[in-house]
Amino acid sequence: IVLTQSPGTLSLSPGERATLSCRASQSVRSNYLAWYQQKPGQAPRLLMFGASTRATGIPDRFSGSGSETDFTLTISRLEPEDFAVYYCQQYGTSPYTFGQGTKLEIK
Amino acid sequence: EVQLVQSGAEVKEPGESLKISCQGSGYSFSDYWIAWVRQMPGKGLEWMGIIYPGDSDMRDSPSFRGQVSMSTDKSIGTAYLQWSSLKASDTAIYYCARVSRDNRGHLSAYDIWGRGTMVTVSS
Repeated sequence: IVLTQSPGTLSLSPGERATLSCRASQSVRSNYLAWYQQKPGQAPRLLMFGASTRATGIPDRFSGSGSETDFTLTISRLEPEDFAVYYCQQYGTSPYTFGQGTKLEIK
Repeated sequence: EVQLVQSGAEVKEPGESLKISCQGSGYSFSDYWIAWVRQMPGKGLEWMGIIYPGDSDMRDSPSFRGQVSMSTDKSIGTAYLQWSSLKASDTAIYYCARVSRDNRGHLSAYDIWGRGTMVTVSS
């Protein structure tokens, strides 16, 4: 399954709302889709799994939605620490592929 | 504390062999699959495969099949990634991660990550 994330880069200001998209080339089984955040020089961090469930410790300004082939990660009000690269991953069908990433940068 | 500790950075020449490690602690290592993920310089995440320490069952990506091998030693809570003949294109950071399970027992997302091992292959 090929995951295509858009946009490639998103330029926003703190306090704004961010909407990141992840589209799958075929239906993701049981909505087994995760989102990760990666900051420079750090390992990825799990944000969401099952398309819409926040991982432990993730603030509620992060939300996930979608099903089958179209998924969205929304950050309601951007904080300075949210500027990073975000990846989606499907884990319903092996190989468990990642999207190419969306870079969220400060405008 | 649940954590995965990866071995240190490596600098190798093309054609050399290499084995990097990922040691789990703070949880029952044998009960959770371990994933390996590659990140080439300045690029995104690439799924390489997963391995189950309990019985060494594995699933791998066709993109990496035959290029690298995964193994585990559950007696010491450690997973390994091994190359028999490195290429310059193997230069990357390699992450291991713990594969969680959902409430139905299905393999889920990667909740614990190691800090990564930087592998540099250059003559």
